[in-house]
Amino acid sequence: SAVISQKPSRDICQRGTSLTIQCQVDSQVTMMFWYRQQPGQSLTLIATANQGSEATYESGFVIDKFPISRPNLTFSTLTVSNMSPEDSSIYLCSVKTSPYEQYFGPGTRLTVT
Amino acid sequence: GQQVMQIPQYQHVQEGEDFTTYCNSSTTLSNIQWYKQRPGGHPVFLIQLVKSGEVKKQKRLTFQFGEAKKNSSLHITATQTTDVGTYFCAGTKTTDSWGKLQFGAGTQVVVTP
Repeated sequence: SAVISQKPSRDICQRGTSLTIQCQVDSQVTMMFWYRQQPGQSLTLIATANQGSEATYESGFVIDKFPISRPNLTFSTLTVSNMSPEDSSIYLCSVKTSPYEQYFGPGTRLTVT
Repeated sequence: GQQVMQIPQYQHVQEGEDFTTYCNSSTTLSNIQWYKQRPGGHPVFLIQLVKSGEVKKQKRLTFQFGEAKKNSSLHITATQTTDVGTYFCAGTKTTDSWGKLQFGAGTQVVVTP
């Protein structure tokens, strides 16, 4: 397994501003993922962040809106840019520790007013 | 649209009863994972299934992967109040080399004492 921490745990932001979410893992992992979970909904993959390469975004998500950094094997950031109320959601980072096991961080609860 | 379908979306159970949640994919999966998310929490990895027809047990939880590797089920016996939460299945398509997970909509479980 893996111990994953995220900062901040929650935030309330104004429309038009940006928020950077940090994800820290207690061990080196190649693959990290960023998900969004809207209230009462399932998880939607935003992008895959592999160290040493550009993040790969899923359909409906673009780098200008959700820039991602992956400077090393234990850390990643996701920025939610030019926020609108529709961005209010829980943002979760996740890591793959083996071919078939994936673990999630505690999430960042974002409210945009 | 969602390629991993999960039913039921909502399950109200009396304490002590059994219930099953089902997961169906339109495509063959290389593996399937199950997660539990408590209210206000993040998804917690329960188990992964890889082999066709595989059955795994964790105390009162029984997980099964279909012969065709397109469906899975989670059966909980003698439900307890601690079983409250949303159970998600998540599968990886055989064509996906990165192992990205496609989540089902989840089954929200409410237990009445």
